[in-house]
Amino acid sequence: EAGVAQSPRYKIIEKRQSVAFWCNPISGHATLYWYQQILGQGPKLLIQFQNNGVVDDSQLPKDRFSAERLKGVDSTLKIQPAKLEDSAVYLCASSLGRQGATPNTGELFFGEGSRLTVL
Amino acid sequence: GQSLEQPSEVTAVEGAIVQINCTYQTSGFYGLSWYQQHDGGAPTFLSYNGLDGLEETGRFSSFLSRSDSYGYLLLQELQMKDSASYFCALSSPGATNKLIFGTGTLLAVQP
Repeated sequence: EAGVAQSPRYKIIEKRQSVAFWCNPISGHATLYWYQQILGQGPKLLIQFQNNGVVDDSQLPKDRFSAERLKGVDSTLKIQPAKLEDSAVYLCASSLGRQGATPNTGELFFGEGSRLTVL
Repeated sequence: GQSLEQPSEVTAVEGAIVQINCTYQTSGFYGLSWYQQHDGGAPTFLSYNGLDGLEETGRFSSFLSRSDSYGYLLLQELQMKDSASYFCALSSPGATNKLIFGTGTLLAVQP
């Protein structure tokens, strides 16, 4: 079974530039997450999708970050304009989770992440 | 809100047993998960406690006490490859498998 795919693996940009990250979840997984992990910290949830609808985006800095999941499969996360403090690894994860149907097991499947450096 | 605290670093020797603690504050949750992350790698799922008590999976065991707002991950027969960061995470109610992660513990296994 193929895992969660993310690209690019590494990206270096200047502040105020824009960047986009792509994620392809495990086939059949209804729930998709984007996490931000700053060096030395735990992953912080940015946004959670259930199919192509947003379940939670309370921690997403909406003035500069946006995300979409068209057709309930792939997702893109965009940052525009980037700030120095956005330097982090952006992790995509997926789970089977279908609202009201799948018991909560606490298991997410993560991709390798996209490491962003903002200069 | 929710918060989870873990020791920042733990050191142990190969073959020993180590316990990584996690204390949390929350108004409600489904369960507590544990993840392992090697440097530069993806977090990988280790264990989940939906109920109080001990869950055992091979060399790893995890424990949850809701009354004490406390859990731990126990690693036995430590191997060098166990050197990694370990995160506890709360499953937040109201959404399917929404996870809030702790601060993480860096485990260094020495020969």
